[in-house]
Amino acid sequence: AQSVTQLGSHVSVSEGALVLLRCNYSSSVPPYLFWYVQYPNQGLQLLLKYTSAATLVKGINGFEAEFKKSETSFHLTKPSAHMSDAAEYFCAVNTGTASKLTFGTGTRLQVTL
Amino acid sequence: DTGVSQDPRHKITKRGQNVTFRCDPISEHNRLYWYRQTLGQGPEFLTYFQNEAQLEKSRLLSDRFSAERPKGSFSTLEIQRTEQGDSAMYLCASSDLGIEETQYFGPGTRLLVL
Repeated sequence: AQSVTQLGSHVSVSEGALVLLRCNYSSSVPPYLFWYVQYPNQGLQLLLKYTSAATLVKGINGFEAEFKKSETSFHLTKPSAHMSDAAEYFCAVNTGTASKLTFGTGTRLQVTL
Repeated sequence: DTGVSQDPRHKITKRGQNVTFRCDPISEHNRLYWYRQTLGQGPEFLTYFQNEAQLEKSRLLSDRFSAERPKGSFSTLEIQRTEQGDSAMYLCASSDLGIEETQYFGPGTRLLVL
């Protein structure tokens, strides 16, 4: 069985501030982990993924995430928020090939001036 | 590569009517997934195809739901006798064969059942 917990359904940061979105996972086998972003009335766009290679993963738009097995975490960060980062962010887990994704409930990121 | 496409983008129907959604995956992607997303929630898995074979179905997929992928390319998701609880965003994703599989999502079909 696998599950994802995203702490904080809403996060608000000032433009230029650090973005930190939290994700903890549970998996009975080594997981593959993903972060997706969803803009209003759109589908999901892949930001980055961890597939057992480097534990620090860099993605698009300046985002990165670090896989920490001891903490069962895969938190998403960005050094400096931009207004265009305002969206819903979903962490997801699966167990590899031909495997359904299990998503967290999402975190809505608000960026203020 | 034009990405995953879904049609229609929006559908409003009355309770009891049947609706059908279409998904066109990225060309040559063997795997196709359907998910459902309700307001304020993450997507939930419904079903999965590898080529034309439907290999897994969620318990969320009641008898009123049926999905097909007849030629291993596009897929359809039909909901019969729609209920207000079926109102949601229906997302399609596709992926290719490979160890590090990544699912790419379409824009979704938003269904509203009145």
